[in-house]
Amino acid sequence: GAVVSQHPSWVICKSGTSVKIECRSLDFQATTMFWYRQFPKQSLMLMATSNEGSKATYEQGVEKDKFLINHASLTLSTLTVTSAHPEDSSFYICSAPRGGRMNTEAFFGQGTRLTVV
Amino acid sequence: QKEVEQDPGPLSVPEGAIVSLNCTYSNSAFQYFMWYRQYSRKGPELLMYTYSSGNKEDGRFTAQVDKSSKYISLFIRDSQPSDSATYLCAMKRGGNTPLVFGKGTRLSVIA
Repeated sequence: GAVVSQHPSWVICKSGTSVKIECRSLDFQATTMFWYRQFPKQSLMLMATSNEGSKATYEQGVEKDKFLINHASLTLSTLTVTSAHPEDSSFYICSAPRGGRMNTEAFFGQGTRLTVV
Repeated sequence: QKEVEQDPGPLSVPEGAIVSLNCTYSNSAFQYFMWYRQYSRKGPELLMYTYSSGNKEDGRFTAQVDKSSKYISLFIRDSQPSDSATYLCAMKRGGNTPLVFGKGTRLSVIA
């Protein structure tokens, strides 16, 4: 079964409104979660690294004031797209590495398809 | 040059064929190598991950890593229509570092 749950799976919103996407690790604690964006027929591009109890780290070109990330607990990270515009329409996916000696296993949420109209 | 290069395809094969998917990379700091399968409008699903150079087999899937050539492969034996999906290679440095993905190869297995 899924070890990372993402909600909602799809959302349509009006331009100028804000949308919150949740990412939960279900059976493990995740001090770090990653947020990706994927445009049609493109690969996953890292947007930011979410760290529990501290500020997120954003990739170059990603507006931190537009994409607000909160990692308030060891099992939940949220991404809020503020003042959404049509160009923000995309597939947003979170992932969390599950521990283990090599900390290599990264599990992904189901993704959220955001459409801004 | 992108850090990870992957031919996006599309690749179309008959059922039962052996499929070979490949990626090259430029960053020698990458230590872990993964293959993900992604169905349309879904999150990626981890198929295989490897650490060292060599082969790793799991059922019909074989992952191969050649660190000296910075080249990784995924082989799918006896391919099935249900294998039709986009296959993404991904790699990472050590610790809590993010994955860097290839563009993905879209595979269609025709019955």
